[in-house]
Amino acid sequence: AQTVTQSQPEMSVQEAETVTLSCTYDTSESDYYLFWYKQPPSRQMILVIRQEAYKQQNATENRFSVNFQKAAKSFSLKISDSQLGDAAMYFCAYRRRRGAQGGSEKLVFGKGTKLTVNP
Amino acid sequence: DTAVSQTPKYLVTQMGNDKSIKCEQNLGHDTMYWYKQDSKKFLKIMFSYNNKELIINETVPNRFSPKSPDKAHLNLHINSLELGDSAVYFCASSQLDRGYVVGELFFGEGSRLTVL
Repeated sequence: AQTVTQSQPEMSVQEAETVTLSCTYDTSESDYYLFWYKQPPSRQMILVIRQEAYKQQNATENRFSVNFQKAAKSFSLKISDSQLGDAAMYFCAYRRRRGAQGGSEKLVFGKGTKLTVNP
Repeated sequence: DTAVSQTPKYLVTQMGNDKSIKCEQNLGHDTMYWYKQDSKKFLKIMFSYNNKELIINETVPNRFSPKSPDKAHLNLHINSLELGDSAVYFCASSQLDRGYVVGELFFGEGSRLTVL
């Protein structure tokens, strides 16, 4: 079974600085997606960034970028120029592209990292 | 115009009661999910439906029964509520393309269930 591990239960960063959140995963598949979701206190799950495993280029979305190391099964999230609004729980998630029955495929989450941004 | 909407957003009830949470998506997706987030924020899948057919049924007590009247709706009914059922329940949807996952899950705002 696929597993996702986030080894940092909590992280903090000063406003305007850079922080990196770690994620590793375990899978025998070669075709999959990786995601970072953000959950602010409002509890809404917001997609931050997405990476397709077949793409070697690391995904970026404005201040958010990933370091995807497929061989090492590592998928870290870097937040640059941190803002107070970045404070949230961050979840790393994995999803195989094709289900065993060719049907629905679940998203497997890590346990999350709580990010605090200090003014 | 909310893409995935759940009702109610908050639910407080007594042990032993029966309650339902409704979910609707207007994204045209063919797959819908229920996830449970416990007090430690861990998110775990409960069920998944693809075009009204149950595809994923994790180890969930029989007291939980999902129902999908059409591919835009997925409801969750819980019988004989227990204290341990207190959690946030998230509905989500996504699209498949000929059996392959396309992109991410879109989540509703969650329904916080408190069992007293």
